[in-house]
Amino acid sequence: GAVVSQHPSRVICKSGTSVKIECRSLDFQATTMFWYRQFPKQSLMLMATSNEGSKATYEQGVEKDKFLINHASLTLSTLTVTSAHPEDSSFYICSALGLEKTQYFGPGTRLLVL
Amino acid sequence: QKEVEQNSGPLSVPEGAIASLNCTYSDRGSQSFFWYRQYSGKSPELIMSIYSNGDKEDGRFTAQLNKASQYVSLLIRDSQPSDSATYLCAVNPTSGTYKYIFGTGTRLKVLA
Repeated sequence: GAVVSQHPSRVICKSGTSVKIECRSLDFQATTMFWYRQFPKQSLMLMATSNEGSKATYEQGVEKDKFLINHASLTLSTLTVTSAHPEDSSFYICSALGLEKTQYFGPGTRLLVL
Repeated sequence: QKEVEQNSGPLSVPEGAIASLNCTYSDRGSQSFFWYRQYSGKSPELIMSIYSNGDKEDGRFTAQLNKASQYVSLLIRDSQPSDSATYLCAVNPTSGTYKYIFGTGTRLKVLA
């Protein structure tokens, strides 16, 4: 139980394009999901909290117009990186809040912007 | 600022030994604590959660919590090379947002 999927697992795009990443809780409902970014050999960095049916809450320094989050259902949250640039290349990981308010992580999406 | 501290390591232990990973936290009111394992290039995977003072065992893993000392640890018995990874300590602070505070992780190397 408590399985979280992400799609795609890996994406390469050209600078200036937008990329959408999906995060799904497969066997439980999650009113709250989180989006993290992790650069090589660095710690997880929380980007935003995604709440079903309401606007996401962004951490300080994260541009909400660049990283669009939509949590339209109890099992799906999406992160869209708009007008991506090479410095946005990173490992994006979502987590979903499940039983006993435990965060379960998806497998991550590796984004490379050329 | 609420913090979670871990020794970054690497912590090297021989195969079959006990690996002891430690974590301290600053938010005294925190009630739930988690250990995640992260292999290189992969996302974190939940190993254990602990909520009450004392020990909690799950297979080769034992989590220990001491709220008075604001200390949580993870013991791995009979360590295997496949246990080599970074272990993240996470604390659910009292804010009620469930935005965990993560430590920077301890890199464990189990030597065959």
